Amino acid sequence: DAKTTQPPSMDCAEGRAANLPCNHSTISGNEYVYWYRQIHSQGPQYIIHGLKNNETNEMASLIITEDRKSSTLILPHATLRDTAVYYCIVRVFKAAGNKLTFGGGTRVLVKP
Amino acid sequence: NAGVTQTPKFQVLKTGQSMTLQCAQDMNHEYMSWYRQDPGMGLRLIHYSVGAGITDQGEVPNGYNVSRSTTEDFPLRLLSAAPSQTSVYFCASSPGQGSKGAQHFGDGTRLSIL
Repeated sequence: DAKTTQPPSMDCAEGRAANLPCNHSTISGNEYVYWYRQIHSQGPQYIIHGLKNNETNEMASLIITEDRKSSTLILPHATLRDTAVYYCIVRVFKAAGNKLTFGGGTRVLVKP
Repeated sequence: NAGVTQTPKFQVLKTGQSMTLQCAQDMNHEYMSWYRQDPGMGLRLIHYSVGAGITDQGEVPNGYNVSRSTTEDFPLRLLSAAPSQTSVYFCASSPGQGSKGAQHFGDGTRLSIL
């Protein structure tokens, strides 16, 4: 699986959009971008995933650049409950066992 | 719908003791995995299973055994606990290949080895 690079931490104001970048310059053509988050002391939670088109669901939007070397997760209206560590993961869609390789992630602090 | 259930939530062991961490899911998922998370780190894959009777090693399998006799259960055994195995352990499950690949995680077992 391709490696990803994320900033270690970022702050965001409550009610504003949070834009979380991820660099994956070595991504292969058959690799998807997945985002998970981990709220303190809980198990990771799936957020969204995509291949090359932008994706949106009830939690977030995912913007993938045309060359697929980077992506941005957007939380449109951050709340205090969005404070968590966010992980960007790149992997083959049908990876054996659906394995995930976690990096260090971005620690997001939403401030009132 | 309970999702992924892990027991116990907390455990303290002495070096050399053995124990089994339990994981059960009620979503009829084919795939199950065990991860460990050390302080300030991301999760690392220990073992995984793609179906009943089939298991394979992840990144950090040494010191751990698994078995998958049923679709629902995927226990993790520590053979002889060592202080280096002090960690938070997460179990995850997901539908088989061809699904979205999104995994469902349990709330973790916090294990301390003295």
